[in-house]
Amino acid sequence: QVQLVESGGGVVQSGGSLRLSCAASGFTFNTYDMHWVRQAPGKGLEWVALIRSDGSNKYYGDSAKGRFSISRDNSENTLYLQMSSLTAEDTAVYYCAKGRWMSDYWGQGTLVTVSS
Amino acid sequence: IAMTQTPLSLSVTPGLPASISCRSSQSLLHSGGRTYLHWYLQKPGQPPQLLMYEVSNRFSGVPDRFSGSGSGTDFTLKISRVEAEDVGVYYCMQSTQLPLTFGGGTKVEIK
Repeated sequence: QVQLVESGGGVVQSGGSLRLSCAASGFTFNTYDMHWVRQAPGKGLEWVALIRSDGSNKYYGDSAKGRFSISRDNSENTLYLQMSSLTAEDTAVYYCAKGRWMSDYWGQGTLVTVSS
Repeated sequence: IAMTQTPLSLSVTPGLPASISCRSSQSLLHSGGRTYLHWYLQKPGQPPQLLMYEVSNRFSGVPDRFSGSGSGTDFTLKISRVEAEDVGVYYCMQSTQLPLTFGGGTKVEIK
């Protein structure tokens, strides 16, 4: 069965950096584009970034441009999100999601809390 | 593409129907001929789970009391007979064009 397990969240000071990971299993990881989506406490869903299956192209939402970097290691079936210059507005649960067009599976999420 | 959902919340008697509307600021018909409008349910404390994809296709394991319809910019999710397990927040999402965008959510509660 498809499993996506995020890790790497935690409390970080404003201006700091964090790297999130998403370990994938149960499907052929290197054939699927992957997203990061986040959800601030009590708020709706916000798309963060997309990476193509082979890592050739990467796309970012406005809030992530210039500060976040999405990457993947297909040999390790792992997706990453490197985040820097974090602010309180980045406090959220970060989900990885499988599939460019139809994100059919999501991980349980990892909570990032940016403290000032 | 901006996505607007209505209503913001619904309180439904079990066994009765419910309907949620989603409107996009531009057509979601992709140049390839498909419409990438999907519906998710987020139950309390859980990640979103896919209910319907490409407007009207039920995802694996989704009960047939859920149905989706619409085209272009106007879409609807219907629950024919609401059950207690249907509580949560429903989101529409478009993936026709990046950035992916979501509706603001509709919270469904049971009376």
